[in-house]
Amino acid sequence: QQPVQSPQAVILREGEDAVINCSSSKALYSVHWYRQKHGEAPVFLMILLKGGEQKGHEKISASFNEKKQQSSLYLTASQLSYSGTYFCGTDSGGSNYKLTFGKGTLLTVNP
Amino acid sequence: GAGVSQTPSNKVTEKGKYVELRCDPISGHTALYWYRQSLGQGPEFLIYFQGTGAADDSGLPNDRFFAVRPEGSVSTLKIQRTERGDSAVYLCASSELGLATDTQYFGPGTRLTVL
Repeated sequence: QQPVQSPQAVILREGEDAVINCSSSKALYSVHWYRQKHGEAPVFLMILLKGGEQKGHEKISASFNEKKQQSSLYLTASQLSYSGTYFCGTDSGGSNYKLTFGKGTLLTVNP
Repeated sequence: GAGVSQTPSNKVTEKGKYVELRCDPISGHTALYWYRQSLGQGPEFLIYFQGTGAADDSGLPNDRFFAVRPEGSVSTLKIQRTERGDSAVYLCASSELGLATDTQYFGPGTRLTVL
């Protein structure tokens, strides 16, 4: 089943923070985060695994709450280059290697 | 070397025609995936190859869709008797081993428009 992302869209001023959530009704093994700019390929950001800790680097990080079957992506001190649509792709483990993506969160960072 | 490449970047066809979309994965990647992305939606899984074999084709919408990967590298997605509802961006991704924890690297996609 498709994970649910929230919010659907968010508008920030440069330097502001944002949180994007991804929730699933199924138990998750891993969550994959991607950013896609208009007309371009999705670009990998990070993977979070069941039993893993919060991951990230510099100003983009993410967490994975196994009990809630939820992941959150944190963008701090946003930059203009952060604009795009963020997708979470979920995997339920075992032999499930295909990702099921949410509908995306459109992030717009303005000067 | 380079990332995942897809050709053509755009394809316009008429309803009822046959089309082929090509994907060239990252060299050495054994796993290859096809996804379809409609406007305002996330990528939707179509088929997964491990080597030359289709390990999972459960996402193909009907028997008009078929994909091959004869030598375990380049893959071709084939659509027969195209319909207007087939219009979408077709994305290809590859990963090193096809493990659930592997990063899937996406190509730029082929935008298919069926008139």
